[in-house]
Amino acid sequence: QKEVEQNSGPLSVPEGAIASLNCTYSDRGSQSFFWYRQYSGKSPELIMSIYSNGDKEDGRFTAQLNKASQYVSLLIRDSQPSDSATYLCAVGTGRRALTFGSGTRLQVQP
Amino acid sequence: GAVVSQHPSWVICKSGTSVKIECRSLDFQATTMFWYRQFPKQSLMLMATSNEGSKATYEQGVEKDKFLINHASLTLSTLTVTSAHPEDSSFYICSARALILEETQYFGPGTRLLVL
Repeated sequence: QKEVEQNSGPLSVPEGAIASLNCTYSDRGSQSFFWYRQYSGKSPELIMSIYSNGDKEDGRFTAQLNKASQYVSLLIRDSQPSDSATYLCAVGTGRRALTFGSGTRLQVQP
Repeated sequence: GAVVSQHPSWVICKSGTSVKIECRSLDFQATTMFWYRQFPKQSLMLMATSNEGSKATYEQGVEKDKFLINHASLTLSTLTVTSAHPEDSSFYICSARALILEETQYFGPGTRLLVL
């Protein structure tokens, strides 16, 4: 079992819809959770971090964390073609580096 | 805030030469820096972790004598690919972490290496 699992996609949504990206992790001791966006040919950029159960909203983005289910998600409201990218879930376990999922490719259709 | 730069952004070199890549944290002090490699359409692969003033810790399968890492200050880490070969052609990305208890990693823009 991978430490951080994501569906590779592609996840295709129409412009203006809500995109829902999911991630599960295996280490119950994980303490911090991150979503990064990576455009093709570019490096990852941080979108959001979340540390406690519940929802955290930032503009069109909402991160949701459920530690009991070991599940973290990212919702993108009013999806735009410019949101088309690979979204990486990352988990901090107190070790040296974040553990990254392999990413979910999102395609927003105009 | 939390800006990380890398230089160069592109490098093309002949097989057998060495290439140095710099990673700088511009507006914060990075106690830890990480070096990743990413091949086309593949996941990020952690190569090594470096802490300022100490030797880097390499991931399994990464040759420490081939990929030399120096983290001489709290704002600068360098990766030197020694005797580069075509199979070393890849996208090299550094990231930095500000405080020892803070796990957020900020990524540099990456360096694309092509070895002919």
